[in-house]
Amino acid sequence: DVKVTQSSRYLVKRTGEKVFLECVQDMDHENMFWYRQDPGLGLRLIYFSYDVKMKEKGDIPEGYSVSREKKERFSLILESASTNQTSMYLCASTQLNTGELFFGEGSRLTVL
Amino acid sequence: QKEVEQNSGPLSVPEGAIASLNCTYSDRGSQSFFWYRQYSGKSPELIMFIYSNGDKEDGRFTAQLNKASQYVSLLIRDSQPSDSATYLCAVKVKSSASKIIFGSGTRLSIRP
Repeated sequence: DVKVTQSSRYLVKRTGEKVFLECVQDMDHENMFWYRQDPGLGLRLIYFSYDVKMKEKGDIPEGYSVSREKKERFSLILESASTNQTSMYLCASTQLNTGELFFGEGSRLTVL
Repeated sequence: QKEVEQNSGPLSVPEGAIASLNCTYSDRGSQSFFWYRQYSGKSPELIMFIYSNGDKEDGRFTAQLNKASQYVSLLIRDSQPSDSATYLCAVKVKSSASKIIFGSGTRLSIRP
């Protein structure tokens, strides 16, 4: 059974804190993605990665960075969390050249 | 102009009727198109994909693609209360081998 696991379902952080969101997939997928989902805005792409150590900016990369040191793991980093980064964060993976995204359960981040 | 646009709804359809969901996209070179369903509190799941102009049927679902008009639609026949969800249109953009972007989603409600 395919699986994308996000490390934390719920997090509460304070403004200015550094936040790490971890995502692990067990399907040997080349591509991994981080989206954020806000009411009325759908899923907005933050960053994606098509190979180890390779990354591309999505549509809203400001305030975020990512790391992919191993094929199965893709981390999203908020260097200095701000209240406007309060959101649901969804990690997904897919095989190269396909579009079937497999999503994790999401990480709901609240920044106070 | 947003890259992928959907009417946010809510779209209310009586049980047993046909639900029609629409999506337009701006990247004329896009080749791959997807419909995801998202139940409240859950992650999105793929229900249909389409690559060629025309119709593609899978059970009660039909995806329609018109590349000249940059338009994708999803028809749900014999709508059931269990079809009540948010439907997200996704496009794999041509400018990147891996980038997949979403519309804001249409909330569908099937009334008994």
